[in-house]
Amino acid sequence: GEDVEQSLFLSVREGDSSVINCTYTDSSSTYLYWYKQEPGAGLQLLTYIFSNMDMKQDQRLTVLLNKKDKHLSLRIADTQTGDSAIYFCAENNQGGKLIFGQGTELSVKP
Amino acid sequence: DADVTQTPRNRITKTGKRIMLECSQTKGHDRMYWYRQDPGLGLRLIYYSFDVKDINKGEISDGYSVSRQAQAKFSLSLESAIPNQTALYFCATSSFSNEQFFGPGTRLTVL
Repeated sequence: GEDVEQSLFLSVREGDSSVINCTYTDSSSTYLYWYKQEPGAGLQLLTYIFSNMDMKQDQRLTVLLNKKDKHLSLRIADTQTGDSAIYFCAENNQGGKLIFGQGTELSVKP
Repeated sequence: DADVTQTPRNRITKTGKRIMLECSQTKGHDRMYWYRQDPGLGLRLIYYSFDVKDINKGEISDGYSVSRQAQAKFSLSLESAIPNQTALYFCATSSFSNEQFFGPGTRLTVL
């Protein structure tokens, strides 16, 4: 069945780069998404990548997609304390639904 | 004003009680979803609706029911709440594009 896997925790120092990884199983996904959840809030779309792309860059964010390995990553450059949050990757399936990973809690230490 | 609102934001109830969580959206989207979030499990889909006459079970629908009263409203009911339904519940909406917009969540505690 469809599955999306992420590690649960990541801790970095302020100013370092953060890399959050995700693996998925549905090779027919057309879009893959990264959502951010700040404490006490709902999820907000951070960025997404179309499945025929290898990379997408948006300011401090870089998304890399390896379709062969079904591996997605989110790199945050110059990580700030305001980046502390839970990050979810998600894939869309053929039924028009999103399948979410477990979420990676990013902790940024000063 | 928020595009997706949920009421209540917090609720504490007792085992066996009937609970309704409500969701409203002003985005004009046809598609609406209910998820629950548990630590370490991510978001799991309970029910979804692609238009007013369409209701579909998600991954974990047992113990829940929904009603799509209008394009803008989608409510989730727990007919007889049990403690393992204690969780954070999110409503979301989307257009055909699949990008989903989330409400702020309802924290439900069942004692």
